[in-house]
Amino acid sequence: QQPVQSPQAVILREGEDAVINCSSSKALYSVHWYRQKHGEAPVFLMILLKGGEQKGHEKISASFNEKKQQSSLYLTASQLSYSGTYFCGTEGGTSYGKLTFGQGTILTVHP
Amino acid sequence: SAVISQKPSRDICQRGTSLTIQCQVDSQVTMMFWYRQQPGQSLTLIATANQGSEATYESGFVIDKFPISRPNLTFSTLTVSNMSPEDSSIYLCSAPRGASYNEQFFGPGTRLTVL
Repeated sequence: QQPVQSPQAVILREGEDAVINCSSSKALYSVHWYRQKHGEAPVFLMILLKGGEQKGHEKISASFNEKKQQSSLYLTASQLSYSGTYFCGTEGGTSYGKLTFGQGTILTVHP
Repeated sequence: SAVISQKPSRDICQRGTSLTIQCQVDSQVTMMFWYRQQPGQSLTLIATANQGSEATYESGFVIDKFPISRPNLTFSTLTVSNMSPEDSSIYLCSAPRGASYNEQFFGPGTRLTVL
């Protein structure tokens, strides 16, 4: 079952914040977050492994609510370089390493 | 950190032909994965390439269409057989890295166009 991401698209001005959500109907072992720019491969951002865990570096962070089977990616003080499509990839408890990806969220940051 | 390379980076092929894509990881990994990304779509797992055993395929993907080899712990190939225009996609391999081997990193991808 593919996780559901919301919103499908978001447009920001530089310096604004955004939240991207990822929701699964299955129990999760981990959630991976990636950013993909046009014509390039997805770039790994972070992985969340534990329930209620929040991780982050600089202005990008994420949380994982294991009980709700949800994860959120937080982008603060957005920069032009943040533009791209964000994917969450979820991993179930018995599918070591296999990721099921959401449909993606297109983020556009304008000057 | 593991570096993953793929060859070719892109190709244009005629229908009915086959293309073999190579994936090389610069460190030994137990599992490698092959994904497909159709134009404007998300990523879909094709199969898991296990060293020393047959690849395991996801629903909707079969070995006759996507044969996979895994001769050692750093290398894998995916063949797209008897191609049709519907096979036009980006094909990506991934492998785990990090101390706990939980993080998945992707190769640069192979952009395939079938005419």
